[in-house]
Amino acid sequence: DAKTTQPNSMESNEEEPVHLPCNHSTISGTDYIHWYRQLPSQGPEYVIHGLTSNVNNRMASLAIAEDRKSSTLILHRATLRDAAVYYCILRDSFGSGNTGKLIFGQGTTLQVKP
Amino acid sequence: DTAVSQTPKYLVTQMGNDKSIKCEQNLGHDTMYWYKQDSKKFLKIMFSYNNKELIINETVPNRFSPKSPDKAHLNLHINSLELGDSAVYFCASSQGLVSGANVLTFGAGSRLTVL
Repeated sequence: DAKTTQPNSMESNEEEPVHLPCNHSTISGTDYIHWYRQLPSQGPEYVIHGLTSNVNNRMASLAIAEDRKSSTLILHRATLRDAAVYYCILRDSFGSGNTGKLIFGQGTTLQVKP
Repeated sequence: DTAVSQTPKYLVTQMGNDKSIKCEQNLGHDTMYWYKQDSKKFLKIMFSYNNKELIINETVPNRFSPKSPDKAHLNLHINSLELGDSAVYFCASSQGLVSGANVLTFGAGSRLTVL
């Protein structure tokens, strides 16, 4: 299973942008890069995903390096509600020996200061 | 309407008992999952079902038996509960399993405490 590396924790000030990095040097050509977050006492929540191109949605932006060995989740204006554990996950398709599992690592705990 | 709902939300029981956690999704998804989050907060996949067929079984003790009566439901039955089973169990669903682009929708979790 392809693995990701994230910093254990990061801090941000409210209303400032946050860049959450993720390294995935062993990514395969068919792995999608997914980001989920888990707010305190809640289930994980989908944030964004991409394959090769940068992606934007209402929650965040995903910047993917040209060689795909790293990516960055960008929260444009952090709010207190964004304090959570953010997980960067690689997900392959099911079949040909791949199980399509979503494997969570330790994630990055984001603290947002007022 | 909650997309993925789990019951009960909290469960406190004695060692050796048998208990079940139920999960239902109203998203029309084909694939459902059970994840376990232990006290160290690691989320580990336990099982995955696709259209009622077991796809993933992550070497979970056979005291854990998932059952999928239809593709909208995936229940988790645990026999002979042990202290180490104490955790938060999350149910999730996705449109399918084939594409790596499929995203998971998680339930709110069921906190199991074994005394």
